[in-house]
Amino acid sequence: QKEVEQDPGPLSVPEGAIVSLNCTYSNSAFQYFMWYRQYSRKGPELLMYTYSSGNKEDGRFTAQVDKSSKYISLFIRDSQPSDSATYLCAPSTGTASKLTFGTGTRLQVTL
Amino acid sequence: GAGVSQSPSNKVTEKGKDVELRCDPISGHTALYWYRQSLGQGLEFLIYFQGNSAPDKSGLPSDRFSAERTGGSVSTLTIQRTQQEDSAVYLCASERTTDTQYFGPGTRLTVL
Repeated sequence: QKEVEQDPGPLSVPEGAIVSLNCTYSNSAFQYFMWYRQYSRKGPELLMYTYSSGNKEDGRFTAQVDKSSKYISLFIRDSQPSDSATYLCAPSTGTASKLTFGTGTRLQVTL
Repeated sequence: GAGVSQSPSNKVTEKGKDVELRCDPISGHTALYWYRQSLGQGLEFLIYFQGNSAPDKSGLPSDRFSAERTGGSVSTLTIQRTQQEDSAVYLCASERTTDTQYFGPGTRLTVL
């Protein structure tokens, strides 16, 4: 079993929809929870991160962590075609620590 | 400011040849990471450099893989006697202490 599990998709939604992307993990030592977005043939770019349990909002994006159930979520409101990309969850045990990536979920937002 | 850069962007080599991949981190970033992204495996950690400390090599898949970081800046990942299963995108990331990792565009390696 992988340390981080993520549904690979693809997930196709119409423009304007609310998108929910999720990961589960098994390592209780994870404290930082990152979400990266990766466009085709590009490197991952950091979207947002949270520390420990709780919610964090940044514009149309909300990250949520539930450490009791080892469940990580990213919500995208009012999805746009430009949001079409692969979304990778990447928890770590601390700053200056390696990231453990999920396989990524490919999202397609259609007009 | 400039981001992480990697070269070459694409590399095609024959099985058995050695290859060198280069990473230029963001200026002032003390930590540098190498990851590999391949179909079906996702992004996997390879090696991590932090300042003058001994590198964390725990993710290197075999002794054919090695990396060095000169002067606390540029890093080179070397793969000796390449195999077809080494075909992947090799990504470098750098990080300032207490910050998050910023990735380069990657080097796409194809071993024929």
